[in-house]
Formats: sequence, C-alpha cells, structure tokens
Amino acid sequence: DSGVTQTPKHLITATGQRVTLRCSPRSGDLSVYWYQQSLDQGLQFLIQYYNGEERAKGNILERFSAQQFPDLHSELNLSSLELGDSALYFCASSATGRTEQFFGPGTRLTVL
Amino acid sequence: GQQLNQSPQSMFIQEGEDVSMNCTSSSIFNTWLWYKQEPGEGPVLLIALYKAGELTSNGRLTAQFGITRKDSFLNISASIPSDVGIYFCAGQLQGAQKLVFGQGTRLTINP
Repeated sequence: DSGVTQTPKHLITATGQRVTLRCSPRSGDLSVYWYQQSLDQGLQFLIQYYNGEERAKGNILERFSAQQFPDLHSELNLSSLELGDSALYFCASSATGRTEQFFGPGTRLTVL
Repeated sequence: GQQLNQSPQSMFIQEGEDVSMNCTSSSIFNTWLWYKQEPGEGPVLLIALYKAGELTSNGRLTAQFGITRKDSFLNISASIPSDVGIYFCAGQLQGAQKLVFGQGTRLTINP
C-alpha cells in the first residue's frame, strides 16, 4: 500500500458526460501528479500540483482540469468525454524535494 | 517532448532465468527510478538511483545509473512467477521536476 488513495476504482459513463476523479496523497506529501494510461500504453503525465498551486503541465487536454484543495487532496475533472478518454487514471504524490513518486491504485474510466 | 527508449518491449522467459532491461536517452538525467506494474494496479517503486555509476539492489533486483547519466539498467536474477508484470523506467531531467517514463517492458514467465 503506497498510502495514496483514489476514488472511485471504476467509473462507467457515456460520451459527452463529465466526471470527477479524486485523489488523496500520502500523509505529508504536498505534490500531486496525475497520469493517464491507455490500454497497453505507457504513463502520460497530465498535470502536477504543489501545495494548492499548479506546478507543471503535460499533455492535458483543454477538456480536462484539475485542482488541489487546502487539505491537499486533488480532483481531476474530465468533461465532454469521448470514447478515446477511456483509460486508467493514476494519481501519484511525492515529498517536498524528493523525486520518488508513489502511485495510487488508479481509476479505470470507461466511456461508452 | 523528452523520450526514454526502453527495451526490450517484451520478454518471454523460463522461470529461473535472469532478466535484463534498459532505458536510454539523448538527455542527461539526475535521477532514475524503476517501477513495476501489475494488471489493474498502480506502479510500485522498486529502486531509486541518484548518482552516475550507482549500483543498487533490492532483493533479486539490481539497477544501475549509467556513467553517462543518459541510461539505466535493471536486472532480475533467478526469476520467479511473481516477477510477471510491466517494468517502467522513469527519469528526472536536469533542471526539471517532473518524471519522464519509458514505454515499459512486459515480462512473461513460463513455469
């Protein structure tokens, strides 16, 4: 158990809908990262937050947005969903000044 | 963007065999990490490397930070069925905070 939690575990929705994925980092970690992993693909970095502020952006679509709250949990919002958005979405966290990222169990999103 | 070339993409071996995989890049990295991912789960950190030439072991796993700082290697000795999974390398570029991930090596073991 990495200490990073993600909910829900599975999410099934229809095209055009909007969903919210939630992540709680390890206790004490201020950095949260979001990744997308499509079937049999590598991990694509989406976005990083540090202590509530956006720190780095990757290949995140404009339909996607994220935020980190004062209690350090983070949410990834996916809107106008398309079939191609079906994937595993992972959250990771790291301690300040450390490179090692610890991953949550992921949310499997299926868009029908 | 920056890319890591991880090879091989997949390996099919017999139980008990040793395994080697590597990641290379044209860029210089400050840190190399190796993760293992099992089906439907999140990647789990196996080994972290911080200095060029560093050799670090975790049980039957051994990883090395290449001298040029552009590559890293992971070896698994005497493989067992629970070693099955996808192994990812990840590197932190000089001057950057985010990680760059390789495409993974899928390891399959025949008992």
